[in-house]
Amino acid sequence: DAGITQSPRYKITETGRQVTLMCHQTWSHSYMFWYRQDLGHGLRLIYYSAAADITDKGEVPDGYVVSRSKTENFPLTLESATRSQTSVYFCASSESDSRTDTQYFGPGTRLTVL
Amino acid sequence: EDQVTQSPEALRLQEGESSSLNCSYTVSGLRGLFWYRQDPGKGPEFLFTLYSAGEEKEKERLKATLTKKESFLHITAPKPEDSATYLCAVSSGGSYIPTFGRGTSLIVHP
Repeated sequence: DAGITQSPRYKITETGRQVTLMCHQTWSHSYMFWYRQDLGHGLRLIYYSAAADITDKGEVPDGYVVSRSKTENFPLTLESATRSQTSVYFCASSESDSRTDTQYFGPGTRLTVL
Repeated sequence: EDQVTQSPEALRLQEGESSSLNCSYTVSGLRGLFWYRQDPGKGPEFLFTLYSAGEEKEKERLKATLTKKESFLHITAPKPEDSATYLCAVSSGGSYIPTFGRGTSLIVHP
């Protein structure tokens, strides 16, 4: 299917465990993003990537690690999950050419850390 | 630093009662202003991109307009299926990283 997909859609884990959230896009967009969305905070940028092997921190990067070895994939890893990382995580991508930088979002992953 | 403020935070309308959502922004050189719709449990869905003051775009019952300081999302004769959270975002200068507002939660009663 064309578009942007995330897996898993729901995940329950325990404090201290490592968790990886997957994101895959089929448009060959150069930019990819990870956000978390919490009540009272709106969307907050965790990390973004301008191209394969190029990543940079966003507003709330602590406790998260990303990689981008292929243009179409952008996994987000929580190295040692904490309760404060319970949230809904959205992946997005954009073309980011000189005219258009509209972001397109995946369906989200709801993560619960017990 | 770019700033985006959306108002009101929540809006309740009767079916057919037209209204507008506001997005005020402060940026250094606007690249684009984006409107998204987000349904509960889903990711934001792209609606419009506006690039310059005076620009307008329409889609069904929605019309987005842009001035140098704010954007409005006008909803004409809304239906219950228009109920959602509407997000506004801006990008500026050489950055491809948009700044999002907190959103307006719209409920349309039948």
